[in-house]
Amino acid sequence: DIQMTQSPSSLSASVGDRVTITCRASQGISKYLAWFQQKPGKAPKSLIYAASSLQSGVPSKFSGSGSGTDFTLTISSLQPEDFATYYCQQYNSYPRTFGQGTKLEIK
Amino acid sequence: QITLKESGPTLVKPTQTLTLTCTFSGFSLSTSGVGVGWIRQPPGKALEWLGIIYWDDDKRYSPSLKTRLTITKDTSKKQVVFTMTSLDPVDTATYYCAHQYGGHMDVWGQGTTVTVSS
Repeated sequence: DIQMTQSPSSLSASVGDRVTITCRASQGISKYLAWFQQKPGKAPKSLIYAASSLQSGVPSKFSGSGSGTDFTLTISSLQPEDFATYYCQQYNSYPRTFGQGTKLEIK
Repeated sequence: QITLKESGPTLVKPTQTLTLTCTFSGFSLSTSGVGVGWIRQPPGKALEWLGIIYWDDDKRYSPSLKTRLTITKDTSKKQVVFTMTSLDPVDTATYYCAHQYGGHMDVWGQGTTVTVSS
């Protein structure tokens, strides 16, 4: 199985900040990486697919980059509704695997 | 607009079999490239991919759970059925189904919480 490791596991930031979350795959996955946002008690929401493509309806403040084993999710100008847990997931091979999550909290 | 909704029991006894149904709308599971996947999330923990069924009835399962899982589809009813045998308290989780196209899961159901307890 491909292991997905996110860093940091938690992050405190202020409204208006720009933050970056990193996801590393244990082996190369080309650009087959997705990012999800999950708020408490809610289903995950797709943000990014193919490492850098924005899901329809997702604001452009979210951006993704990377290929191979190293990927990043950047959120610019944080707003209160952006504080949530973020997950990366590889879909290069089976079984699909998720990172452990990054909890973004208000400072 | 694509929507999915999971349904099934909220409480299951250890050793029993769990059957969940994902009822969807806004797409057809006979369209080439389309799949419906299943994911779970134990309380306070990360997401875990369980398996998927594709438009051509191809199925893939998590190797660690493969012997316990079965996913089937009823295209005309727009439903996917997920079955897990030999339930244990560690299987307590929220179970999600999700639409997949192009490899990634773009729309998720709201999830259904299943507790395994005697």
